[in-house]
Amino acid sequence: EVQLVQSRAEVKKPGESLKISCEGSGYNFTNYWIAWVRQMPGKGLDWMGIIYPGDSDTTYSPSFEGQVTISVDKSTRTAYLQWSSLKASDTAIYYCAKTPNSNYGPTWFDPWGQGTLVTVSS
Amino acid sequence: VMTQSPGTLSVSPGERATLSCRASQSVSSSLAWYQQKPGQAPRLLIYGASTRATGVPARFSGSGSGTEFTLTISSLQSEDFAVYYCQQYNNWPTFGQGTKVEIK
Repeated sequence: EVQLVQSRAEVKKPGESLKISCEGSGYNFTNYWIAWVRQMPGKGLDWMGIIYPGDSDTTYSPSFEGQVTISVDKSTRTAYLQWSSLKASDTAIYYCAKTPNSNYGPTWFDPWGQGTLVTVSS
Repeated sequence: VMTQSPGTLSVSPGERATLSCRASQSVSSSLAWYQQKPGQAPRLLIYGASTRATGVPARFSGSGSGTEFTLTISSLQSEDFAVYYCQQYNNWPTFGQGTKVEIK
């Protein structure tokens, strides 16, 4: 079974750093892109960026470029999303999701991880 | 920009539900639909505007191309009450704001 398992919920203060994770299993991890998607409280879905575990090739949404860093460790089959200085407006659920093939470019996502709730509050 | 309508759809179990998604410019058939239940991650239902994902019941069907798309649930079951999102992937992905399907 293809599965993405994300790290647990986090509570942080503004200005703190954070790195959350997404571990893939049940498929050849290096051959499929992993995307990150934000869902702010009670809101819709925002695509943040995508990474190819095979060579760490990364594309960011213009809305998130410079705000977050997406990385991957193919030896542990884990993708990461990190912030160097969190803001209250980063409070959201963050999902990772797998693409259906190894092609570079826009596509749909399946499956999704269970989500990581990040709460940023003083 | 992807615009979904209506924002909320009230339907009785067993009835048909029709959800709409409009793109501000043509996305060809590069359109996916997802279902999200409270406290859960989105689940892929449809891709390529009309292809059901693995394991998705036949009561879910998608249609359309260009700028106008429809998700139809032919006979609503209790487990279908959820929020539904469309997503275009003709360019880097953008999602609609969602349609909530609630029990009438």
